[in-house]
Amino acid sequence: AQSVTQLDSQVPVFEEAPVELRCNYSSSVSVYLFWYVQYPNQGLQLLLKYLSGSTLVKGINGFEAEFNKSQTSFHLRKPSVHISDTAEYFCAVSDLANTGNQFYFGTGTSLTVIP
Amino acid sequence: DAGVTQSPTHLIKTRGQQVTLRCSPISGHKSVSWYQQVLGQGPQFIFQYYEKEERGRGNFPDRFSARQFPNYSSELNVNALLLGDSALYLCASSFTGGETEAFFGQGTRLTVV
Repeated sequence: AQSVTQLDSQVPVFEEAPVELRCNYSSSVSVYLFWYVQYPNQGLQLLLKYLSGSTLVKGINGFEAEFNKSQTSFHLRKPSVHISDTAEYFCAVSDLANTGNQFYFGTGTSLTVIP
Repeated sequence: DAGVTQSPTHLIKTRGQQVTLRCSPISGHKSVSWYQQVLGQGPQFIFQYYEKEERGRGNFPDRFSARQFPNYSSELNVNALLLGDSALYLCASSFTGGETEAFFGQGTRLTVV
């Protein structure tokens, strides 16, 4: 079974400052890793994903994440945040043997960008 | 092109009632998955359907059921509603369900009183 832990439930950060949202996972099999963003009253939008290859993954809106297999982590980073980045961020895993879109999500990190 | 559309957007039901939620996938997508997102939590997988066949089921009671129609739209049914069923129900679609990316709708907010 897979599980995802997002270590910070709330992260306040000033505009134009850097931010890191932490994600750790546990799995007995190899996994795909994802970050999704959810704006208020909206569904989920994919920010980026790690499937294989380079451990540094770049996504939309200037976000990037680094896969660290030894630490089972997939932390999300952005060097300079904007007000519009205020949202809920979810880390998710899906195992390679999965035959369908069965994602396991963390509990989310609420990012608040302060002007 | 239209994205994943869900209806209704909001509804209120009484305990013990039954509810049906609807999802239309992106044109060309044949797989639909359903997730429940309780306030303050991440989405939890309920069902996945592909070509009208159930492909996966999460850890939910038998009160939850779903089906997929020939046009690939889907319905999620919940019987004997409990207060704890109050949540945002998300639908996601993809071409075959085996891809690594799914596209989510905006969800149906269900409140059970």
